[in-house]
Amino acid sequence: AQSVTQLGSHVSVSEGALVLLRCNYSSSVPPYLFWYVQYPNQGLQLLLKYTTGATLVKGINGFEAEFKKSETSFHLTKPSAHMSDAAEYFCAVSERTGRRALTFGSGTRLQVQP
Amino acid sequence: GAGVSQTPSNKVTEKGKYVELRCDPISGHTALYWYRQSLGQGPEFLIYFQGTGAADDSGLPNDRFFAVRPEGSVSTLKIQRTERGDSAVYLCASSPTGDGTDTQYFGPGTRLTVL
Repeated sequence: AQSVTQLGSHVSVSEGALVLLRCNYSSSVPPYLFWYVQYPNQGLQLLLKYTTGATLVKGINGFEAEFKKSETSFHLTKPSAHMSDAAEYFCAVSERTGRRALTFGSGTRLQVQP
Repeated sequence: GAGVSQTPSNKVTEKGKYVELRCDPISGHTALYWYRQSLGQGPEFLIYFQGTGAADDSGLPNDRFFAVRPEGSVSTLKIQRTERGDSAVYLCASSPTGDGTDTQYFGPGTRLTVL
């Protein structure tokens, strides 16, 4: 079965610092890859996704992620953190064949210190 | 336009009772998903509808859980003989076609508490 690993359940950065949230998937066939964000008391919102083509994907709010097949990774980055980026971030995958539902990682809570 | 809506936002029930949770997807979306999110965890898949039919119900934990989507729009998740372990946030999502590349749009969830 597909699994998604997010290293670090909590990440704290200073405002203006680089944000790096890690995600690795388990399957030998690269899945479709997603990052979702969950702000307090709000629903999950798509940040970005990789399905095909260019491996560096740009999303909303200045976030981007790079698909690296050799490392089975899809890490999320943002050059300069803002206070409003404080939220829970989830990496998720769906299979290219078979299950259409998303398999989520356990999430990383990002704190941004002033 | 309107997003995915879920009712109620909160539901408190007693162990052994029956509950129904409702999901209104984005108009025109053929695919609808139910997930369950426990505290400190990522959402876990329960069931996926393509139109009126359940295309994949492999995530339902046992036969106390059942879901319907009779007209291919609104869906209801039904839980019989609730247990304290059923306490979680139940999320609904919809997507345009159900293709694996689709963006799934999530509702705000229903927080279920079983006393």
